[in-house]
Amino acid sequence: EVQLVESGGGLVQPGGSLRLSCAASGFTFSSYWMHWVRQVPGKGLVWVSRISSDGSSTNYADSVKGRFTISRDNAKNTLYLQMSSLRAEDTAVYYCVKKGSEVLDIWGQGTMVTVSS
Amino acid sequence: DIVMTQSPDSLAVSLGERATINCKSSQSVLHSSNNKNYLAWYQHKPGQAPKLLIYWASTRESGVPDRFGGSGSGTDFTLTISSLQAEDVAVYYCQQYYGFPCSFGQGTKLEIK
Repeated sequence: EVQLVESGGGLVQPGGSLRLSCAASGFTFSSYWMHWVRQVPGKGLVWVSRISSDGSSTNYADSVKGRFTISRDNAKNTLYLQMSSLRAEDTAVYYCVKKGSEVLDIWGQGTMVTVSS
Repeated sequence: DIVMTQSPDSLAVSLGERATINCKSSQSVLHSSNNKNYLAWYQHKPGQAPKLLIYWASTRESGVPDRFGGSGSGTDFTLTISSLQAEDVAVYYCQQYYGFPCSFGQGTKLEIK
């Protein structure tokens, strides 16, 4: 079964850091681009970042550029999102998403990040 | 960036009736090289992972019931549920993957009347 399981969310103070992880199984992780998408409670889905299958290419939404870093360990079938200088507006559920040939086809259940003092 | 706008924001439909959700993009998502619309639909139930229903505007993902159908081209798209079932209660999102970054509609909450 193809599965993505996020972890690492929690409560963090403004200005703090957090690292999210996403464990992949059921498919050849190293063959696919991976994305992070977030959802502020009660709001819609917003793309955050993506990384190429070999990790050599990354992109970020303007709202997180310079503060978030996406990475992956293909040997461990794991995707990461290192978040720093966190702000209240980063409070959201963060989803790890696999990109198929063109479309985002498999999503994790998400991990909640709350930025608050 | 391409802006996606869905209508309505919420919808209540009786069991067995048709549900229709609209999605409009701020620019065409039809790629001239392959004549494909880079438009997907997702279903999101509370506490669950979003689920891909439709891609290329009208192609059903494997395992998706055939009561779900997608149509449209260019900038205007529709998701139709031909006969609403109780398990279809969810928020539905359209998404364009034509331009970077990809972008989603604001979501349409579908409920039972």
